[in-house]
Amino acid sequence: DQQVKQNSPSLSVQEGRISILNCDYTNSMFDYFLWYKKYPAEGPTFLISISSIKDKNEDGRFTVFLNKSAKHLSLHIVPSQPGDSAVYFCAASRTNSGGSNYKLTFGKGTLLTVNP
Amino acid sequence: DAEITQSPRHKITETGRQVTLACHQTWNHNNMFWYRQDLGHGLRLIHYSYGVHDTNKGEVSDGYSVSRSNTEDLPLTLESAASSQTSVYFCASNRGQGMGNTEAFFGQGTRLTVV
Repeated sequence: DQQVKQNSPSLSVQEGRISILNCDYTNSMFDYFLWYKKYPAEGPTFLISISSIKDKNEDGRFTVFLNKSAKHLSLHIVPSQPGDSAVYFCAASRTNSGGSNYKLTFGKGTLLTVNP
Repeated sequence: DAEITQSPRHKITETGRQVTLACHQTWNHNNMFWYRQDLGHGLRLIHYSYGVHDTNKGEVSDGYSVSRSNTEDLPLTLESAASSQTSVYFCASNRGQGMGNTEAFFGQGTRLTVV
C-alpha cells in the first residue's frame, strides 16, 4: 500500500513559468514532509521541508504548501529555470513518542522538464 | 567536510553470488538507510538502522541483509544475487533526533547489475 503518492510521472513547463508538483499521502500519522531533487547519476538532495504545524514554507524560488485536511502537499517553483529539470521526490516521516523523526517514505517521483 | 560515500559506484555480478555494497558516513548520524531506485517505483526502503547493533527491515527486505557494528558504516549484503536485484542503490543517513533533523543525506549511489 503506497503511503506517499505522486500521481504525475512527468511535467513539462516553459522557462520563467510556474512549476507545480503534487503529492498526496494516506498515513495521517505523518507530520513532517520533505522534497528532494535528483539529477541523473547523482544521489537525491534535500530541497525544502515543512512541518505539519505549518501550511506554507518558502525558500527562495521554492515554496511548499501543506493541506492537512486533504492530505496533500505541493511544491511550487517560481520562476522555473532549465537547471530545475530533474526528478522530484516527495517524502514523509512521523514523529515518535520521544520526539524524534526517523525513516522517510518516498513517492515514486515526478520528472520535471523546464524548456528554454 | 562531512559526507556519505558508497562503494563501488558500479558493480556487475553473476546470479547466485554474494555481493556487499559499502556505505560510510562521517556525520556521526545515528540513523542510516538503504534504498533502491527502480523505474516506476521511486525510492523503496530496504533496511535501516537507528544505531549500533540495531537493524530493521524495510518494505523490500527479502534477499538483503545489513549489519551495524559502528556508527559510520552500514554495509548491504545480497545473500544470493538475483536479476530482480538489478537496480540503483542509495545509502542515506540522518540525525533523526527532534523535528527538523529528518533531512537525510544521500550517497552518490551504486548501480548494480546482476547477469
